[in-house]
Amino acid sequence: AQSVTQLGSHVSVSEGALVLLRCNYSSSVPPYLFWYVQYPNQGLQLLLKYTSAATLVKGINGFEAEFKKSETSFHLTKPSAHMSDAAEYFCAVSEDNQGGKLIFGQGTELSVKP
Amino acid sequence: EAQVTQNPRYLITVTGKKLTVTCSQNMNHEYMSWYRQDPGLGLRQIYYSMNVEVTDKGDVPEGYKVSRKEKRNFPLILESPSPNQTSLYFCASSPGTGVSYEQYFGPGTRLTVT
Repeated sequence: AQSVTQLGSHVSVSEGALVLLRCNYSSSVPPYLFWYVQYPNQGLQLLLKYTSAATLVKGINGFEAEFKKSETSFHLTKPSAHMSDAAEYFCAVSEDNQGGKLIFGQGTELSVKP
Repeated sequence: EAQVTQNPRYLITVTGKKLTVTCSQNMNHEYMSWYRQDPGLGLRQIYYSMNVEVTDKGDVPEGYKVSRKEKRNFPLILESPSPNQTSLYFCASSPGTGVSYEQYFGPGTRLTVT
């Protein structure tokens, strides 16, 4: 069965510092992987997705993630944090190539200190 | 504007009083889903639909019903709500058929059952 684990329910960084949010998955077949962001009182917005093309995926707002099959990981990074990056981030996996079902991680809340 | 809409956005009700949360998308998407979001648990899928008149259970379907009579609408029905259904609910849609893999989320409905 598929599952997603996000390490750290809360991450705090200083403005300008590297952002690293960790995601590990389990899947019996090559997965499709996603990172979503949720700003306060809003729905989820897609940051980036991996669909078996390039292993380094670039997303919106300067975020990127690297698919590492050997480590079953899909960590999210951003070189320099901005105050506006404060939000909750969700990693998700799908074995369904039609986007019908997503399995989400528990979420990581990112705080950015001035 | 392409979007997923949900109504109501906020709802407070009492145990046992039937309620319906509506969901509509204007993108002609085939797939639609309902998720609930609870702290520390991420998002969990309640039901999904791959097309009109085709629905299937997700991971936490107990206490919920859905219907898909039209492609654009996917209402969530709580026949007899209980306090453990207090949660934040999201509707999502996806194009399906391998065109795109991500899901597009509505703004959410915060439900409180007393």
